[in-house]
Amino acid sequence: DQQVKQNSPSLSVQEGRISILNCDYTNSMFDYFLWYKKYPAEGPTFLISISSIKDKNEDGRFTVFLNKSAKHLSLHIVPSQPGDSAVYFCAASFGGSNYKLTFGKGTLLTVNP
Amino acid sequence: DVKVTQSSRYLVKRTGEKVFLECVQDMDHENMFWYRQDPGLGLRLIYFSYDVKMKEKGDIPEGYSVSREKKERFSLILESASTNQTSMYLCASSLTQGVSFFGPGTRLTVL
Repeated sequence: DQQVKQNSPSLSVQEGRISILNCDYTNSMFDYFLWYKKYPAEGPTFLISISSIKDKNEDGRFTVFLNKSAKHLSLHIVPSQPGDSAVYFCAASFGGSNYKLTFGKGTLLTVNP
Repeated sequence: DVKVTQSSRYLVKRTGEKVFLECVQDMDHENMFWYRQDPGLGLRLIYFSYDVKMKEKGDIPEGYSVSREKKERFSLILESASTNQTSMYLCASSLTQGVSFFGPGTRLTVL
């Protein structure tokens, strides 16, 4: 049973526009959520995170929103740049699991110049 | 600066061989993890360790074992490599609560 779901395998946006990547989760125990970015043939790099006590966290062009009642989070990238083209993974964890991450299957973002 | 290193970027092995993948972190992290990434399947946890000599199975431990004799080093062992273990293997480490930092990955091909 997939506990973290990214239902869009791919997303294409124009440079300068907003990219919105979505993620849903089913396990109500999750209390920490992260987004990772991955280029081909490289390891994932941490992008931004949010604790369940918050509903928004912002870092430069990246903002993560958390809707606990809907068990949904989203990553907004504004403005999108061609260098943002990568696979984005949503991940979730909780203390009772030693904070091991459960990942979604990823969304391939393509930002067109 | 945070650093997780993996012994090889690319590896080609034959079916039935014993394969060792090594991972070293320099951040004094308690937790270390091994994942594999396959197209369309995301990152799946194979094993993790929350302390020296401690280990727990992840979601797909079959065909793998691990060793953690020192805090900074976590090894993944394929006892008898099979073609369905061809994959990208990713090591990560983290503090008890916090962000996991990943190594560059090992692309393993089993022929």
